[in-house]
Amino acid sequence: TQLLEQSPQFLSIQEGENLTVYCNSSSVFSSLQWYRQEPGEGPVLLVTVVTGGEVKKLKRLTFQFGDARKDSSLHITAAQPGDTGLYLCAGGLNDMRFGAGTRLTVKP
Amino acid sequence: NAGVTQTPKFQVLKTGQSMTLQCAQDMNHNSMYWYRQDPGMGLRLIYYSASEGTTDKGEVPNGYNVSRLNKREFSLRLESAAPSQTSVYFCASSGRQGLSPASTDTQYFGPGTRLTVL
Repeated sequence: TQLLEQSPQFLSIQEGENLTVYCNSSSVFSSLQWYRQEPGEGPVLLVTVVTGGEVKKLKRLTFQFGDARKDSSLHITAAQPGDTGLYLCAGGLNDMRFGAGTRLTVKP
Repeated sequence: NAGVTQTPKFQVLKTGQSMTLQCAQDMNHNSMYWYRQDPGMGLRLIYYSASEGTTDKGEVPNGYNVSRLNKREFSLRLESAAPSQTSVYFCASSGRQGLSPASTDTQYFGPGTRLTVL
């Protein structure tokens, strides 16, 4: 059982659509991070959320940290083919745990 | 800045063979990590080193050993490779962003080593 559960596992949408992916845990985290990984490369950090209820925006991406600091969501507005990739959430300090990821495909 | 570099990029081993995966970072980070990534499992932490001279087990340390050679380099060794160790291995390093207690670490990942054990 993953400490961090991500859903959906796969998502395929058309360009211009909106989407939300989720990261849930039964544990409380002091912070959660979201990464994007493209084929053949390592993950790249998108954002870190630290405060319960926090909302951060990165262009068309909106990240929210749950009030209880156990869950987080990533919302993408007007998805583009360049958003295609594996989205991973992660929590913890040195002993960081990753979710299994949501594999997003945005079709032109 | 090269960031985090890993060698080799690809490797095929036979069961029982040994090998060392090399990792180096040029960002003067204190902490370094080794992960493996398997389909449907996300990244799982094998070992980490919070500072030069220290190493600690992560989630899946069995079958692996590590050496923090100096601040820049952190190697991962498979003494007797098994097919279950077929995976993509990522090295990462991190340095704390900001000085407040709420500051967090950003992990920077290398490009990965794709290992197949036959």
